[in-house]
Amino acid sequence: GAVVSQHPSRVICKSGTSVKIECRSLDFQATTMFWYRQFPKQSLMLMATSNEGSKATYEQGVEKDKFLINHASLTLSTLTVTSAHPEDSSFYICSVSGLHTGELFFGEGSRLTVL
Amino acid sequence: AQSVTQPDIHITVSEGASLELRCNYSYGATPYLFWYVQSPGQGLQLLLKYFSGDTLVQGIKGFEAEFKRSQSSFNLRKPSVHWSDAAEYFCAVASNQAGTALIFGKGTTLSVSS
Repeated sequence: GAVVSQHPSRVICKSGTSVKIECRSLDFQATTMFWYRQFPKQSLMLMATSNEGSKATYEQGVEKDKFLINHASLTLSTLTVTSAHPEDSSFYICSVSGLHTGELFFGEGSRLTVL
Repeated sequence: AQSVTQPDIHITVSEGASLELRCNYSYGATPYLFWYVQSPGQGLQLLLKYFSGDTLVQGIKGFEAEFKRSQSSFNLRKPSVHWSDAAEYFCAVASNQAGTALIFGKGTTLSVSS
């Protein structure tokens, strides 16, 4: 399966600052990546679908101006949490859609803590 | 719309006992079904998946799951639980089209007692 790398794995920032999380597909070119968010002891909620070279598609209720997604290359998608607030503290996980139907590979996740 | 229901929020099983975690899905066509496990503070690990064919699917760590179309279920089983199986388990569904996201259930927390 594909190897998906997320960076950073943990980040702590002050309220009002912006944080960028990177998701890299290390061994194949991914036209589609997904970003999920997981609150403590809850399930993974799909935030957005990121397509290389085009604008991301956001799920209902997700603020596109707050969670900026850029998929500039076939191996890299970034999620930027702008003007972060404590309620944005969460576990963010990216996944990469594989070449074959139904394949989805997950990164290790990035834990964001906003003070 | 696709949805996944995991009726049990928390289950406690004695070490060595059998385990069954329930998963029901709602989907118009034949879905792709997955079970993932997540240890505290960690990412997701795929246990097994069902796309088509044999409805009894074998996975890693001794887990298996059975797809029952008539019941819209994909329950996860293990004949003998080990203490290291304590974790959060997520059932997920996806469409059979490439490039679609997984939709997750709310998860079941498994505790293992000695």
